[in-house]
Amino acid sequence: NAGVTQTPKFRVLKTGQSMTLLCAQDMNHEYMYWYRQDPGMGLRLIHYSVGEGTTAKGEVPDGYNVSRLKKQNFLLGLESAAPSQTSVYFCASSYLGGLPINEQFFGPGTRLTVL
Amino acid sequence: AQSVTQLDSHVSVSEGTPVLLRCNYSSSYSPSLFWYVQHPNKGLQLLLKYTSAATLVKGINGFEAEFKKSETSFHLTKPSAHMSDAAEYFCVVSDLNTGNQFYFGTGTSLTVIP
Repeated sequence: NAGVTQTPKFRVLKTGQSMTLLCAQDMNHEYMYWYRQDPGMGLRLIHYSVGEGTTAKGEVPDGYNVSRLKKQNFLLGLESAAPSQTSVYFCASSYLGGLPINEQFFGPGTRLTVL
Repeated sequence: AQSVTQLDSHVSVSEGTPVLLRCNYSSSYSPSLFWYVQHPNKGLQLLLKYTSAATLVKGINGFEAEFKKSETSFHLTKPSAHMSDAAEYFCVVSDLNTGNQFYFGTGTSLTVIP
């Protein structure tokens, strides 16, 4: 049981390049999330998904796109990277909603630098 | 709107002394509250959670937190700090009104002095 995994762990891009970050979970979770973490700002939600084939915008969605074609995978894309997207990206997943609200399980993170 | 305020961005304690990390929340609904820990260059790990059962919640590694509705607080405590407790701690709130979104505080960095 690997939990939540993220690929790649590190990446350096030049401004204008594109890339895709992959998140995979093997816990059969319905919900998946992408966050970015910047110093002093906690984690901010980029996009999330409440099930296969559905996605929604979070707090800071601009410049990112996502897809959830399979329940276990959640992809985050940067079409034209900008230095402001230099950050650490975390993926998380959780069980279906309702009460009690279930906690999120996090991946190890992807450190992205945009030059 | 839901929000979380972590009152201290940095806390420094001596090894063996108590730890107190403060968290206040804002929620228009019955909240669920979580504390996560993040060690350097690692992902986030759940320490404990409150989901409307007992107001005093015990977590891993000797941590506990008390939900106080009247004070809208969920402070994290530990009786005796260990060197391995040095990390970043995040308080998180969620409720049914947020559509399964979670709102994070900005984090408290805990330093443990030997």
